[in-house]
Amino acid sequence: QVQLVQSGAEVKKSGASVKVSCKASGYTFTSYAMHWVRQAPGQRLEWMGWINAGNGNTKYSRKLQGRVTITRDTSASTAYMELSSLRSEDTAVYYCARDPIGSSGPYYCDDWGQGTLVTVSS
Amino acid sequence: EIVLTQSPGTLSLSPGERATLSCRASQSVSSSYLAWYQQKPGQAPRLLISGASSRATGIPDRFSGGGSGTDFTLTISRLEPEDFAVYYCQQYGNSPPAFGQGTKVEIK
Repeated sequence: QVQLVQSGAEVKKSGASVKVSCKASGYTFTSYAMHWVRQAPGQRLEWMGWINAGNGNTKYSRKLQGRVTITRDTSASTAYMELSSLRSEDTAVYYCARDPIGSSGPYYCDDWGQGTLVTVSS
Repeated sequence: EIVLTQSPGTLSLSPGERATLSCRASQSVSSSYLAWYQQKPGQAPRLLISGASSRATGIPDRFSGGGSGTDFTLTISRLEPEDFAVYYCQQYGNSPPAFGQGTKVEIK
């Protein structure tokens, strides 16, 4: 079955960067795409960006463009999300989620990681 | 960018009752590319519906989705105890994808 296992919780200072990993198993990693979605405490889900795991094409939220970078390592079946210049408003749970369509996109999320809490302190 | 507005914010119902949740888009959603998710406290969201009306694998048939254009609904025909949660809609017909603010279905 599809499994997305994310790296552990992080505590960062304002201005620092964080990199969260998402290891996929149970399917052919390069045949699908991966979203990154975050959720601040008590807030709605916020789409951050997407990567086609096959060709590496990415799309990003305009709000986060320039601060977020999504990459993948096909040999490790792992996707990464790096967010720079962290501020307190970036405190949230960060999720990776598989896009079942894979080719053009982004579309929707059919399987989700367990989430990674990133706390930004001043 | 498309903005999704869900209503009501909170729905207070009893087990066995019918729940009807609304998701309205600020402009037409291409090809009815709308999904619904369920999220329980401390858990990741779970896909319920894609393409406005197609149930995801393993989702009970008491969940149904409908609508097109700018107005979509999620209906839970008879609420089970495990259905009390927050529900989000998401459009993916126009980039970037966007989520609604959620509807909480709580026990009355």
